[in-house]
Amino acid sequence: DGGITQSPKYLFRKEGQNVTLSCEQNLNHDAMYWYRQDPGQGLRLIYYSQIVNDFQKGDIAEGYSVSREKKESFPLTVTSAQKNPTAFYLCATGLGASYNEQFFGPGTRLTVL
Amino acid sequence: AQSVSQHNHHVILSEAASLELGCNYSYGGTVNLFWYVQYPGQHLQLLLKYFSGDPLVKGIKGFEAEFIKSKFSFNLRKPSVQWSDTAEYFCAVNALGTSYDKVIFGPGTSLSVIP
Repeated sequence: DGGITQSPKYLFRKEGQNVTLSCEQNLNHDAMYWYRQDPGQGLRLIYYSQIVNDFQKGDIAEGYSVSREKKESFPLTVTSAQKNPTAFYLCATGLGASYNEQFFGPGTRLTVL
Repeated sequence: AQSVSQHNHHVILSEAASLELGCNYSYGGTVNLFWYVQYPGQHLQLLLKYFSGDPLVKGIKGFEAEFIKSKFSFNLRKPSVQWSDTAEYFCAVNALGTSYDKVIFGPGTSLSVIP
């Protein structure tokens, strides 16, 4: 079954804790992206990676970190430095150039208590 | 900085009504344009895209969009909506030749179709 897997679907954390969101793909796509979706604001790019062991900051990278050790995986860590972490997080993949279609995972809803 | 605006935050239509969702972007150069749709409980998926050529593009499920370069617009249309079109619609723009290589999304329009 091909596609993008994000886990968990719902995540709760206490203030001051780091948390890692998983994103795995078996589409063999080179590029992977993390977006944050807030009501009325669309999708905002957090980080993206076009090849293994390389990634770039997006528009709202502060308080987040990523790694890309394998082509299939692009985990996102939400650190305690992120001031407003409660949001819906979407992972996406693409064929390597952003002007191509992006394919999205089901998302993880993070709530900070 | 480049930006994308969508004219309506929430649209409510009756079945069989015609739909037009507005999208404008701020960038004077070459662009690639997208409309994505997010049905309730489902993944965000591509509805249609424009790269070059005929400015009127057709997508899935009877949707189409027209690129008007002089107006910096890429409006989405459907002649007759169905209840199953209830979803959130996002316009997205890739500004080519800029310092970063990414897609910018609009804030989204929530469409509710009443049976």
